[in-house]
Amino acid sequence: QVQLQESGPGLVKPSQTLSLTCTVSGGSISSGSYYWSWIRQPAGKGLEWIGRIYTSGSTNYNPSLKSRVTISVDTSKNQFSLKLSSVTAADTAVYYCARVGSSWVGGDAFDIWGQGTMVTVSS
Amino acid sequence: EIVLTQSPDFQSVTPKEKVTITCRASQSIGSSLHWYQQKPDQSPKLLIKYASQSISGVPSRFSGSGSGTDFTLTINSLEAEDAAAYYCHQSSSLPVTFGGGTKVEIK
Repeated sequence: QVQLQESGPGLVKPSQTLSLTCTVSGGSISSGSYYWSWIRQPAGKGLEWIGRIYTSGSTNYNPSLKSRVTISVDTSKNQFSLKLSSVTAADTAVYYCARVGSSWVGGDAFDIWGQGTMVTVSS
Repeated sequence: EIVLTQSPDFQSVTPKEKVTITCRASQSIGSSLHWYQQKPDQSPKLLIKYASQSISGVPSRFSGSGSGTDFTLTINSLEAEDAAAYYCHQSSSLPVTFGGGTKVEIK
């Protein structure tokens, strides 16, 4: 059974780069047809899609964050990663990684989620 | 960007009551609408995909309907364990978006 686990610093200083990694276990990140996604949720608020990557390396980002986001994949480690630059307090949130089927360009439903990791932006 | 508007924002319900949550899209999205349940301090869990398709392991009291711009999540005979926030999500076009959520409280 595929599981996802986020990891990375829980505290990032303003203007620095937030870096998180999602490790896929129980299956290969390269098997099947999936997009591997990042989603975030500020405390007490709703969900915001950050972006996704296909195992070919093809990416799509939310236009609201596109200038600051990079998502990459390392198939040898069965991991994909998020970098968000020039962070501010507004980027404080729980960050989730999730799997979504790629049957078409919009993707399917997010069927597997990591447990989430809290990232606070503060000096 | 497609905006999803959920209603109500909050609902307080007694056990065994029926709960109806609606999600309205700012433009037609066909049936590319999915529903999630999020309990406190947990990650979201997929309940219904493509408007009405059931998910293995999800209790049968959860059902979905709708197409185009108007969608409904129904919880028949609410149980105490159903206290949670519920979100809709559209995958019709990028960027994918989520509704603002509906919090269901048990009276």
